[in-house]
Amino acid sequence: AQSVTQLDSQVPVFEEAPVELRCNYSSSVSVYLFWYVQYPNQGLQLLLKYLSGSTLVESINGFEAEFNKSQTSFHLRKPSVHISDTAEYFCAVSDHRRGSNYKLTFGKGTLLTVNP
Amino acid sequence: NAGVMQNPRHLVRRRGQEARLRCSPMKGHSHVYWYRQLPEEGLKFMVYLQKENIIDESGMPKERFSAEFPKEGPSILRIQQVVRGDSAAYFCASSPPLRASTDTQYFGPGTRLTVL
Repeated sequence: AQSVTQLDSQVPVFEEAPVELRCNYSSSVSVYLFWYVQYPNQGLQLLLKYLSGSTLVESINGFEAEFNKSQTSFHLRKPSVHISDTAEYFCAVSDHRRGSNYKLTFGKGTLLTVNP
Repeated sequence: NAGVMQNPRHLVRRRGQEARLRCSPMKGHSHVYWYRQLPEEGLKFMVYLQKENIIDESGMPKERFSAEFPKEGPSILRIQQVVRGDSAAYFCASSPPLRASTDTQYFGPGTRLTVL
């Protein structure tokens, strides 16, 4: 069984400031890691994912996350946020094994609020 | 390409009534997943369906809950004799046929069920 911990339920920041949203996981097997974003009144959208290879993954809108196996973390970072980044962010993991890799386990989410 | 559609977006039921939640997957997607988000918790996997087949229902409560994905029409999550503890946001996701475990699940906006 896996679990995901997002330590911060809310993160308020000012526009153009850097931000880090923390995510830690626990699992007895290797995992795939994901960050999803949910804008108001919309479904969750995949922001970025780690499957294998380089431990640093990037999204098209400037977010990046680094897989740290020793610390079992997958923190999300952006060097300079915009008002439009205001949303709820969910970290998720799935078992890497075929036949069970579709079963995502999510954290409780972090509400990022970017203020002018 | 329309995204995953869920309806209704909000559903209010009294204890003992039935709730029916509908999910239309993205065009070309034949796999549907249902997740539930209880208050103050992350999304939890409930069930994985393909057309006319339940593949994995390990996350479904043993009683009162059922899901189907018929050959024609949307996937339905049905909750009989609802209780207050069923109040939650129910999210549907879809994906194309799984390939090497890298397929992304695309989420709908969710149905928020309130049981009075």
